[in-house]
Parts: sequence; C-alpha cells; structure tokens
Amino acid sequence: AQTVTQSQPEMSVQEAETVTLSCTYDTSESDYYLFWYKQPPSRQMILVIRQEAYKQQNATENRFSVNFQKAAKSFSLKISDSQLGDAAMYFCAFVAKYALNFGKGTSLLVTP
Amino acid sequence: DTAVSQTPKYLVTQMGNDKSIKCEQNLGHDTMYWYKQDSKKFLKIMFSYNNKELIINETVPNRFSPKSPDKAHLNLHINSLELGDSAVYFCASSLSGGETQYFGPGTRLLVL
Repeated sequence: AQTVTQSQPEMSVQEAETVTLSCTYDTSESDYYLFWYKQPPSRQMILVIRQEAYKQQNATENRFSVNFQKAAKSFSLKISDSQLGDAAMYFCAFVAKYALNFGKGTSLLVTP
Repeated sequence: DTAVSQTPKYLVTQMGNDKSIKCEQNLGHDTMYWYKQDSKKFLKIMFSYNNKELIINETVPNRFSPKSPDKAHLNLHINSLELGDSAVYFCASSLSGGETQYFGPGTRLLVL
C-alpha cells in the first residue's frame, strides 16, 4: 500500500518568518514523484513544487524548498519569508504510475 | 486561457437524480483523472484515463460512470444521487502517468 502522512493538521507562522511542513510516505516503488499542492479558500489546487525521486538535489521554487530524504521517506516543505497569501491547505502527494496519493493536508495560518 | 476547465462549478440537486460533470483540458495531455474531495478535505482518486482508455477504476459505486469521448475530455456521470455523494469533484490532467497533474477548479456537488 502507498500512503502519505502529514502529521500536522494545522500550523501557524508570522509574516516574513519561515515554516516547515512535514510529510512522510510509504512505497515499495523505486521510481516515483513527490509534490506539494496548495489549496486556498478558492479551492483551486495549485502546484507548489515537485521532486523526482531519482534526483538527490532538493527542489526549489522561489521561497519554497523541500528537504527530500529518500531513505527516510520524508519530504518536508519549507516556506521562507511567509506572506499572507501563503495561507492555505497544503497537501503532500506521491505518484508512482498514475494516481496521486494525497496526505490529509496541513492548514497553514499566516498572521500579520 | 483556461488549462483544465470543469462545468458546472456548483451543482445542487435532489436525491435520486442523475447528473453529469464535464471536464476539458487544452494542454495536449494524454492522461485525465477524476478525484473526490470529501468534507474533511481528503482527496482520493476515482478514475484515470490514458488516451481514452480506462486505466484506474478505484472502488467507486457503479452509479459513477466516466466517459472519455476524446483525449481532451473526460466526463463524469452519476446516477441515482445519494446524500453521501456530496463533495467536491476535481478533474485533472497530465502529460502521461507520473507527470505533474494540473487540476480544474472543482465542482461542488450538494445532494439534498
């Protein structure tokens, strides 16, 4: 079975600060991809960042970066210089062949 | 230009009715998906089509039937709607299995 676990249902961060969202996954596949998606109140699912499992280098997209630890099956998301617009539900997801397997999400609150 | 579009965005209907949700993508992708997001925001795959061929059919009641008339379209028909079908339904597409999936805006279905 392929599972994704997000152990933090809610997180809070002050504007301009840094926050890290945790994610672990379980799979027997050797070739797979990991993603973080953001879902603001508008409910649109927005891709934040993607990581190929075969790449050792951690992915980075502007203020967003990941810490990918393949042996530990860990894939955390770091948001630097947090902005009010970062407030949303964040989903960690994994795909080996076709379907995305999602975690239950972490609700991120950004305070001024 | 809208990449993945769904119609309608909102659907309110009575128990026992039959309804359809339409999805179209203009990204030239080969693979399309339907996901269901429940009231606790958990996202789960329902179906996946690759080049109009059904490749994933999760444990979904027979009342749900996907149809893919061509690679750019994947529709979802639901017969005999039940209260438990109330959810947000997302369509998504990707270049191929395992690639980044791009989501439509979602269809919020409410069954009364």
